[in-house]
Amino acid sequence: DAGVTQSPTHLIKTRGQQVTLRCSPISGHKSVSWYQQVLGQGPQFIFQYYEKEERGRGNFPDRFSARQFPNYSSELNVNALLLGDSALYLCASSLVRLANYGYTFGSGTRLTVV
Amino acid sequence: SQQGEEDPQALSIQEGENATMNCSYKTSINNLQWYRQNSGRGLVHLILIRSNEREKHSGRLRVTLDTSKKSSSLLITASRAADTASYFCATDGVTGGGNKLTFGTGTQLKVEL
Repeated sequence: DAGVTQSPTHLIKTRGQQVTLRCSPISGHKSVSWYQQVLGQGPQFIFQYYEKEERGRGNFPDRFSARQFPNYSSELNVNALLLGDSALYLCASSLVRLANYGYTFGSGTRLTVV
Repeated sequence: SQQGEEDPQALSIQEGENATMNCSYKTSINNLQWYRQNSGRGLVHLILIRSNEREKHSGRLRVTLDTSKKSSSLLITASRAADTASYFCATDGVTGGGNKLTFGTGTQLKVEL
């Protein structure tokens, strides 16, 4: 079985541009969460989607948005990119909505904003 | 914001030695989880300990949890070069809705041959 797949693996964007990151969860998993990891820090929670509905949102500006499709894959969109958005974006998949069984993470998308 | 801190920030040991890393957190939790991250890529789930548990083992891993001190420790016994990675604790907070993890700052472990 494939694990959590994220695309692209690397991305370079210019300030002010928009970016879309994609995630496919493990087959059968209905929950997708997004985390941002700035260099040298631990990941920070951005969103959780479960059964195609937003179930949680972290402390991120409205420039960040996401959605989940009927096949449970997900996209994270970031508008008006800032230099500070440069980070590793991680997608986490789980069978259930709650975090009480642990998550399976993808390898991440490394976004560089120049 | 980060939930807490991990100690030490960096740890260098010889292969075969034991590695201990500590995690402190700030709020009441449902469970605490440990993850490993190789070379800034994806996180791998290692072990989960629930708030009513005090100790848990998985292979060469031993985790303890002290909810009165809001702290946890991860012990890796008989370390190998392949254990070289960053290790993060993550808490599932009682007030967080149960559907998100709050990560610590991580410990960078280097195991030398």
